[in-house]
Amino acid sequence: QKEVEQDPGPLSVPEGAIVSLNCTYSNSAFQYFMWYRQYSRKGPELLMYTYSSGNKEDGRFTAQVDKSSKYISLFIRDSQPSDSATYLCAMSEAAGNKLTFGGGTRVLVKP
Amino acid sequence: GAVVSQHPSWVICKSGTSVKIECRSLDFQATTMFWYRQFPKQSLMLMATSNEGSKATYEQGVEKDKFLINHASLTLSTLTVTSAHPEDSSFYICSATASGGGQYFGPGTRLTVT
Repeated sequence: QKEVEQDPGPLSVPEGAIVSLNCTYSNSAFQYFMWYRQYSRKGPELLMYTYSSGNKEDGRFTAQVDKSSKYISLFIRDSQPSDSATYLCAMSEAAGNKLTFGGGTRVLVKP
Repeated sequence: GAVVSQHPSWVICKSGTSVKIECRSLDFQATTMFWYRQFPKQSLMLMATSNEGSKATYEQGVEKDKFLINHASLTLSTLTVTSAHPEDSSFYICSATASGGGQYFGPGTRLTVT
């Protein structure tokens, strides 16, 4: 069993819909949680960064962390075709430590 | 947000030669940088952790004599692929941790060994 599980998709949604992504993990020591967006042949772009449990909102993005369930989520509101990419969750035990990644979910937003 | 650059963005080299890839944090200092490689349609694979002023820490299975890492300053880390072979062809990406804790990635370097 992988340390971080993420559905590979693809997840196809119509433009304007809410995209819902999630990851589960097994290591209870993880404290820092990140979501990245990666376009083909590009480096990952940091979208959201949260510490411990709770919600965080930034523009169209909302990240949720439930440490009791070892479950994190990312919601993208009013999705656009430009949101079509692979989304990676990542987590670490301490700030600055190496990240453990999920396998990534490919998202396709259809106009 | 914090910006990380990589140079070159792509490189083609002949088998047996060495290639150096630079990773720079442009607007922040990073005591720790990380090097990854990524194959098509796969997630990132951590190769090594680069610490300023000390030796890099390599992940299991990564040859430290083949992938030389130098972190000479708080804004620059380099990865040298020595005696490159076609199987080293991949997408190499670095990242750096900013003071707030977020880890920021460079745009990547595509290496093709012929």
